Amino acid sequence: GAVVSQHPSWVICKSGTSVKIECRSLDFQATTMFWYRQFPKQSLMLMATSNEGSKATYEQGVEKDKFLINHASLTLSTLTVTSAHPEDSSFYICSVNRGQRQPQHFGDGTRLSIL
Amino acid sequence: AQTVTQSQPEMSVQEAETVTLSCTYDTSENNYYLFWYKQPPSRQMILVIRQEAYKQQNATENRFSVNFQKAAKSFSLKISDSQLGDTAMYFCAFTPPKQGAQKLVFGQGTRLTINP
Repeated sequence: GAVVSQHPSWVICKSGTSVKIECRSLDFQATTMFWYRQFPKQSLMLMATSNEGSKATYEQGVEKDKFLINHASLTLSTLTVTSAHPEDSSFYICSVNRGQRQPQHFGDGTRLSIL
Repeated sequence: AQTVTQSQPEMSVQEAETVTLSCTYDTSENNYYLFWYKQPPSRQMILVIRQEAYKQQNATENRFSVNFQKAAKSFSLKISDSQLGDTAMYFCAFTPPKQGAQKLVFGQGTRLTINP
């Protein structure tokens, strides 16, 4: 069964709206989770590393004020796209780091469409 | 900076054939992990196989095997007896353990189609 739950799976909203995406680790206490973005027919690009109890680490070129990450517990990380615009429309995927020798487990992704 | 390159944007083979997807990477690290992930139309990321760089033996998982050439920085995926369900995007990925948590660097992907 799934070990990472991501919600919602699909959201459509108007431009200017803020959207929150949740990523839950169901069977593992994760101090680190990752957020990726995938544009159509492209690869996954790491946006940020979510660290439990501390600030997220953002990749170069990713606006931290635009993409707010909160990792307040060992099982939940949230990504909030603030004041979303059509160019933010994309597929967002989270993953859970289960230790250095273990592969990451991915959520099922969230398709975000901004009208 | 570490980079991963998949030079085949698309591939297509007949069912039951064998197909090999290529991947090269660039790193100055000596120890790292390499992965192949499959992304079917559902867009779920599924781990296919992984290889630890310090292991010389090529990893295998049922019909999936890799040809890991460390000196050449090459990590190809071979799918034997291909099945219709193998149709998907395939991503090669790299992670350097020295950076702490496993940040994955993905290649551009190869769209594989298995024809009946």
